[in-house]
Amino acid sequence: AQTVTQSQPEMSVQEAETVTLSCTYDTSENNYYLFWYKQPPSRQMILVIRQEAYKQQNATENRFSVNFQKAAKSFSLKISDSQLGDTAMYFCAFMKGRAGNNRKLIWGLGTSLAVNP
Amino acid sequence: GAVVSQHPSRVICKSGTSVKIECRSLDFQATTMFWYRQFPKQSLMLMATSNEGSKATYEQGVEKDKFLINHASLTLSTLTVTSAHPEDSSFYICSAHRQGPGELFFGEGSRLTVL
Repeated sequence: AQTVTQSQPEMSVQEAETVTLSCTYDTSENNYYLFWYKQPPSRQMILVIRQEAYKQQNATENRFSVNFQKAAKSFSLKISDSQLGDTAMYFCAFMKGRAGNNRKLIWGLGTSLAVNP
Repeated sequence: GAVVSQHPSRVICKSGTSVKIECRSLDFQATTMFWYRQFPKQSLMLMATSNEGSKATYEQGVEKDKFLINHASLTLSTLTVTSAHPEDSSFYICSAHRQGPGELFFGEGSRLTVL
C-alpha cells in the first residue's frame, strides 16, 4: 500500500524568504503522480504543483518548485519569496499512474505554513 | 482551469433529517468523482469513489446506508447524509476526475452542522 508522510506539522517563514516543506512517500509502483495542494482558510483545495514520476525534471510553477528524488522517494516543495497569501495548509498527495477510472489520491497529514510579515 | 461546483457551501440541519450535497463538474465530464470528509486541522479522509452509472465504492468504515452517493450523470454526483446526527457535522469535499493523467479538480467544500 502507498503511504505519504509529511513530517512537519507546522512551519513558519518570514515574508519574502524561502521555505521548504518535506514529503516522503512509499510505493512499489513505477508510474505515478505526486501533488502539492494548498488549502487556505477558505478551505478550497488548490493544486500548487504536479510531478509525473517518469519525468526527471523537477516541476516548477512561478515561485513554487519541487525537489523530486525518485530513488529516495522524496518530494519536497520550495516556496520562494514567500507572500502572506501563501499562509495555508499544504498537503502532499500521491496517485497511481495506471490507466483507468480509479484515481484515488493518497494524502499526507499536511503542513500548516504561516507566513509572517 | 476546470471548475467543480459544490452546493450548498454551508448547511445547518436538525438531528434526524437528511441533507443532500451536490457536486457538479461545470465544463467537463467526470466519470469518477470522490467524496471526502475533513475534520478541523486534519487531512482529507476519502469516503467513497463515485462512478457514473454504477454503485459507489465505499472506503472501509464508511456506512453506505448513512452516506448515500448517486452519480446519475457525467456532471453530477450527490452525497446524501441520511438521518444526520451531530457527529456527522464536518466539512465535506468532492473532487472530479477529468480524462487525462492526474486531472483531479476540487469543489469548494460544504460545511455541515447538525444540531
